[in-house]
Amino acid sequence: SQTIHQWPATLVQPVGSPLSLECTVEGTSNPNLYWYRQAAGRGLQLLFYSVGIGQISSEVPQNLSASRPQDRQFILSSKKLLLSDSGFYLCAGTLEGELFFGEGSRLTVL
Amino acid sequence: AQKVTQAQTEISVVEKEDVTLDCVYETRDTTYYLFWYKQPPSGELVFLIRRNSFDEQNEISGRYSWNFQKSTSSFNFTITASQVVDSAVYFCALSEAGNQGGKLIFGQGTELSVKP
Repeated sequence: SQTIHQWPATLVQPVGSPLSLECTVEGTSNPNLYWYRQAAGRGLQLLFYSVGIGQISSEVPQNLSASRPQDRQFILSSKKLLLSDSGFYLCAGTLEGELFFGEGSRLTVL
Repeated sequence: AQKVTQAQTEISVVEKEDVTLDCVYETRDTTYYLFWYKQPPSGELVFLIRRNSFDEQNEISGRYSWNFQKSTSSFNFTITASQVVDSAVYFCALSEAGNQGGKLIFGQGTELSVKP
């Protein structure tokens, strides 16, 4: 079965520092991958999605970027974090029309 | 534009009560998918159901049931004989067909608290 792993699970970073959140997928090949953010208000917002290696689509303008260096690896990055980047980040992948989520990474920017 | 509204921000029930979580959606697409996810305190989103716009049959899975009504653009979720383990935030979501299935529009969620 497909599983999605994210790390780190928790991260506290100062404003202006860089960020790298990693997501890897097991149990499937050539998945579509997604990064969602859940802010304090609980709603989830799609940030990026990728249909293949090196293919990234951005859904909202923001301070973050994404990369897909390998088929089953999806990375969320920032060169300089803002306070507003705090939130719960979820990586997800589709399998047979269903969207499966990783465990999430909680980012606090101070 | 697509939109999902979960008007109930928080619901509190006592164990064994039935509870219905409301979900109303807006879309101009004729083909679309509706989802429900559960988010327990651990944070991970757990997939519960996917329903396509051409299938209005109600579905039952154990204590869970879903009522899809295109006429009112609603996709409500009922938990029968609720249990403490059902306590979580529940999200309703919508996606249009052909977007590889992962571009979802989520509602704001309903936090369900089941007390013993």
